[in-house]
Amino acid sequence: DSGVTQTPKHLITATGQRVTLRCSPRSGDLSVYWYQQSLDQGLQFLIQYYNGEERAKGNILERFSAQQFPDLHSELNLSSLELGDSALYFCASSATGSSYNSPLHFGNGTRLTVT
Amino acid sequence: DAKTTQPPSMDCAEGRAANLPCNHSTISGNEYVYWYRQIHSQGPQYIIHGLKNNETNEMASLIITEDRKSSTLILPHATLRDTAVYYCIVRVNFGNEKLTFGTGTRLTIIP
Repeated sequence: DSGVTQTPKHLITATGQRVTLRCSPRSGDLSVYWYQQSLDQGLQFLIQYYNGEERAKGNILERFSAQQFPDLHSELNLSSLELGDSALYFCASSATGSSYNSPLHFGNGTRLTVT
Repeated sequence: DAKTTQPPSMDCAEGRAANLPCNHSTISGNEYVYWYRQIHSQGPQYIIHGLKNNETNEMASLIITEDRKSSTLILPHATLRDTAVYYCIVRVNFGNEKLTFGTGTRLTIIP
């Protein structure tokens, strides 16, 4: 158990809809990362937050947004969903946001299916 | 980002040591080498990381060459549960931090 909690585990929704994925980081971790993994694809970095502020942005679509709340949990919002958004979405956390020496710990993901 | 190169797949007999190589010839002096693995569709699992010294923990050993251009992850006594995709990653941190996963090595442990 990594200590990172993601909810829900599974989500099925229709095209055009909006969903919210939730992540609770490990106790004490200040940084949260979001990744997308499509079927048989690698992990694509989406965005990172550190202590409530956006720290780094990867290949995140404009239809997607995220935030980190004062209690450090994070939410990833996906809107105007398309079939191609079907994927596993992983959240990870680390103790700091700018240290080279700080492993990421991943949750078990949310499997999103858009029909 | 410093790029890493790994073989796409490897087999290892159960009970033997699995040695997974990684090349990172463009690594900078302050970049750490990290290893993760992903079993089926589970979340990636952190294994080990190091800067220039060899490292060992309860899961594995990490051997980094003196010039730091390559490293080897060693699973000393592989079990069937070690079958997974193993990712070697160089951690970069220039104010726009991200951890980029490549395609990794698919390790299959053979009974």
